[in-house]
Order: sequence, then structure tokens, then C-alpha cells
Amino acid sequence: DTEVTQTPKHLVMGMTNKKSLKCEQHMGHRAMYWYKQKAKKPPELMFVYSYEKLSINESVPSRFSPECPNSSLLNLHLHALQPEDSALYLCASSPLAGSSYNEQFFGPGTRLTVL
Amino acid sequence: DAKTTQPNSMESNEEEPVHLPCNHSTISGTDYIHWYRQLPSQGPEYVIHGLTSNVNNRMASLAIAEDRKSSTLILHRATLRDAAVYYCILLAGGTSYGKLTFGQGTILTVHP
Repeated sequence: DTEVTQTPKHLVMGMTNKKSLKCEQHMGHRAMYWYKQKAKKPPELMFVYSYEKLSINESVPSRFSPECPNSSLLNLHLHALQPEDSALYLCASSPLAGSSYNEQFFGPGTRLTVL
Repeated sequence: DAKTTQPNSMESNEEEPVHLPCNHSTISGTDYIHWYRQLPSQGPEYVIHGLTSNVNNRMASLAIAEDRKSSTLILHRATLRDAAVYYCILLAGGTSYGKLTFGQGTILTVHP
């Protein structure tokens, strides 16, 4: 299994809702990432997990809360989002963290719309 | 983070080679040069990476200038499926946690 899966594919939520995005990989990778991509813009890194511990938080607002329950699973909990948070949320994994030569494998993303 | 500069867009014909340039004049000695591409409605996909020497894989070739201030991604025979945004990214050595910083990339259009 050489893919990263993300659920749901699409999500529409109101500003008062709480929802979660899920990402899964079964490649034995020890680093997992969340990126945000606005329309016609490049992806922007949000969080990095290394060995299930949060290693990088790119000053992301607290209404986004990441969680890594185990080495295969990465969640992004969403609460009190704003319409400007509407974007494609991409998950990625790589064999090792702290490595500048490992490739990252990306999932197809979750398209989030905040009303 | 060291920055990269790429042309906004390029065009090619199917079955012809494509050379996608990238300038990275502030690259440091431990920065790896990575290329990713993003096809429409998909997540980014790894293409190739290198440090100093030219690299080949099944998807493409990477030619790195001797002073490492520029590099070129070479698609040997473009297909319609190669139409995508191509990103040239520098990945710092050491404890970078694989932090990919995407620039604007080059939009490649392939004509039949």
C-alpha cells in the first residue's frame, strides 16, 4: 500500500460547527504533515509530526488542532472556522522526519468550505 | 529559507522534451533540490531530487549547475499527462523536518 488516504473528500461546515479531517498511511512512515492550499496558490505547511510528536506548528490559529493518535493516523480537528479558512487541506507523509532527502507522499486532499 | 525562482508558465508539444528551469542563487551547501508537480485536482507528487550531481529516474532527469545556483528539470518526452504545476523546492539539511516551502511554480501546458 503506497498511498495516503484522506477523508472526507469534501466537507461543508458552518462557523459554529466542529468537524475533523482524517489522514491515514500504511507505509510505515514516521513523519506526517498537514498543508493548506487556497485556490490557485501553492500549498502552505501547517503542521509536522515526527514520531507522533508535534515538531512544527507554522503559527496556525488554535481553531485548527492537529492530533496524531498513532504512527498511521493524523487528524485535524476544526472548530469555529472562518469563511477564509475554506481551502484544500492536504496530508502528506515521509519515511523519516528531520531528513532533507526523503520524498513526501501526498493524499488527494479534503476540499473544505466554511459557510 | 533559500528561495527559488521559476517562470510562471511554459508550453510544450507532446512527445517533445521539456526543460523547466529553476534559479536558486542563495542555496546553501546542505540544501537539497526537490521537484514536485501537482496535476489538476490532485495532491502534489514527488518527481525527483538531488544535491550536487545530475540525477535520473523513471519520471525525469535533474541537471544541477556546477555552482548549484540553478537547476533544470528535464522531461524527455512530454505527454498530455505531464500538464501540471511544477514546483522547485530547496530542502534545508539538518533538522528541517522535511519542511517543504512551495513557491509559485511553473504551469506546464502540453499541446497534442
